Amino acid sequence: GQQVMQIPQYQHVQEGEDFTTYCNSSTTLSNIQWYKQRPGGHPVFLIQLVKSGEVKKQKRLTFQFGEAKKNSSLHITATQTTDVGTYFCAGAGAGSYQLTFGKGTKLSVIP
Amino acid sequence: EPEVTQTPSHQVTQMGQEVILRCVPISNHLYFYWYRQILGQKVEFLVSFYNNEISEKSEIFDDQFSVERPDGSNFTLKIRSTKLEDSAMYFCASSDRLAGGYSSYNEQFFGPGTRLTVL
Repeated sequence: GQQVMQIPQYQHVQEGEDFTTYCNSSTTLSNIQWYKQRPGGHPVFLIQLVKSGEVKKQKRLTFQFGEAKKNSSLHITATQTTDVGTYFCAGAGAGSYQLTFGKGTKLSVIP
Repeated sequence: EPEVTQTPSHQVTQMGQEVILRCVPISNHLYFYWYRQILGQKVEFLVSFYNNEISEKSEIFDDQFSVERPDGSNFTLKIRSTKLEDSAMYFCASSDRLAGGYSSYNEQFFGPGTRLTVL
């Protein structure tokens, strides 16, 4: 079945440093979504990417979808303590609406 | 702001017992989902539900699991005979479009979750 790998598993950064998490799928995706989960919280939708090579920005967050629609990345510029949490990517394969989540990247920001 | 609600927040049960987890999706949403997250691990899709029937289900969603929309507001997940490995956080989610579809924007709203502990 479809597998979605996400790296790194953990990332500790100094406040103000940048952060990137990468997502790779074993199969071509129809779209990919990104979620943020705060400690003890529930996943909160951040964005969905649909088109090959798509790049979307939300303030300090930049999301990319690869040309082959098999990989994606989330980049945070100048991290803040409010960015702390686990970031998950979730992809849907062609012909399926079932979302497969990556294992997530847990971001810690040192003030 | 509308939100998905789930009850109970924490359920403790004995192995072999039946549990029903309840969710109230956002009122104008048409698509409903259940996910589970074992402590410290990734979120896993269980089932999607639309128009009073299951749209898709994962391998995890075996005969021990069932879903129901008994009235116009509630969406339930039943586990008939719980096992130790069913211990997890169970999230309900809803969307106004089918999550994973080709729409350029179909946000899925998650509830706060029910922590199920099977002893």
